[in-house]
Amino acid sequence: GDSVTQMEGPVTLSEEAFLTINCTYTATGYPSLFWYVQYPGEGLQLLLKATKADDKGSNKGFEATYRKETTSFHLEKGSVQVSDSAVYFCALTGSGGSNYKLTFGKGTLLTVNP
Amino acid sequence: SQTIHQWPATLVQPVGSPLSLECTVEGTSNPNLYWYRQAAGRGLQLLFYSVGIGQISSEVPQNLSASRPQDRQFILSSKKLLLSDSGFYLCAWSNRLADTQYFGPGTRLTVL
Repeated sequence: GDSVTQMEGPVTLSEEAFLTINCTYTATGYPSLFWYVQYPGEGLQLLLKATKADDKGSNKGFEATYRKETTSFHLEKGSVQVSDSAVYFCALTGSGGSNYKLTFGKGTLLTVNP
Repeated sequence: SQTIHQWPATLVQPVGSPLSLECTVEGTSNPNLYWYRQAAGRGLQLLFYSVGIGQISSEVPQNLSASRPQDRQFILSSKKLLLSDSGFYLCAWSNRLADTQYFGPGTRLTVL
């Protein structure tokens, strides 16, 4: 079945540092790929998404590119802020009959220190 | 714009007591609706999804049930809570194409 593997945290960075959170997936067909962010005590917010190969999703300075050849969707940000501290989840929806189902990675806790 | 509400925000219940969590969506019609559970230290697990009133699909057999009495209302229930039911319960919606799911603020359930 479909699966998502993302780097395990926690990740601790200083403000203005470069961020990369790795995410790779296993899926049949052509899944859509997502990054969600969860701030402490809150629900999940959609951060960005990409629906086909070579698409780049971007939002709030975060970027991720759908790489079908390496089955990856790594999250990057050039300069993190303290307010970016949160748990980040990589996820995919399957293609065809399973497109309703979001498969999540286990999440990566990011802490940004001033 | 669409908004999704969940209540209560937090709940502490004794083992063996019943449960009812509610989720409502505004600003859209005929959404797909989902219930997820996030247990401590684990990822998110899809519990139920619904494509219409009275149509419920269960992903994981367990102590919980779901109902959809109205188009934009989704209820998660249990007759008798277990300790293992503790967790953070998230409701989500998507449009009919199911391309993107949007989550509510969640309900934190503690079973003692």
